[in-house]
Amino acid sequence: DQQVKQNSPSLSVQEGRISILNCDYTNSMFDYFLWYKKYPAEGPTFLISISSIKDKNEDGRFTVFLNKSAKHLSLHIVPSQPGDSAVYFCAASFLGGNEKLTFGTGTRLTIIP
Amino acid sequence: SAVISQKPSRDICQRGTSLTIQCQVDSQVTMMFWYRQQPGQSLTLIATANQGSEATYESGFVIDKFPISRPNLTFSTLTVSNMSPEDSSIYLCSGRRDTNEKLFFGSGTQLSVL
Repeated sequence: DQQVKQNSPSLSVQEGRISILNCDYTNSMFDYFLWYKKYPAEGPTFLISISSIKDKNEDGRFTVFLNKSAKHLSLHIVPSQPGDSAVYFCAASFLGGNEKLTFGTGTRLTIIP
Repeated sequence: SAVISQKPSRDICQRGTSLTIQCQVDSQVTMMFWYRQQPGQSLTLIATANQGSEATYESGFVIDKFPISRPNLTFSTLTVSNMSPEDSSIYLCSGRRDTNEKLFFGSGTQLSVL
């Protein structure tokens, strides 16, 4: 039972344009969501997070949007840069992130120069 | 965040053998975890490595197959025992120094079982 789903295994975006990565979840008890970024041969690194009490969190070029009624979150990267090419994992947790993380399958983002 | 050194980075093993993966953190961490990523799948939590006591395993994972040690607050090992081709995966250790810190990861071990 996949509780966190990333339905797009890959995405290609032109440099300078907006990249939008999507994530859906099924468990309404999740109250904390994170995005991790992974380069080849490296471990995932934390990118940005959002609590369920918010619907938007912004950090520089990265913005995460949360739609609780639709059980959907998205990561916006603008403008996209070649260094953003990586695999992006969505993750969800309970208790404000203090419980274990449940990850999605990842989306491979390729930025085209 | 702290830095986790994980080794080996990759290995090719024969069916029926065992492989031990090591993770060394450059500072003390309260929590350490082991994840697996099978091809095309999500990162799946195998177990929480508890310092000085038996690891806590997630559903579907057992100690006989994935024995874990954590002798102190900076080091942990995961052994993949009696390997089969289905064990071919990326194995990742991770840690967190306190509940306010985001989880950080080692670089992973790419395991192929022939």
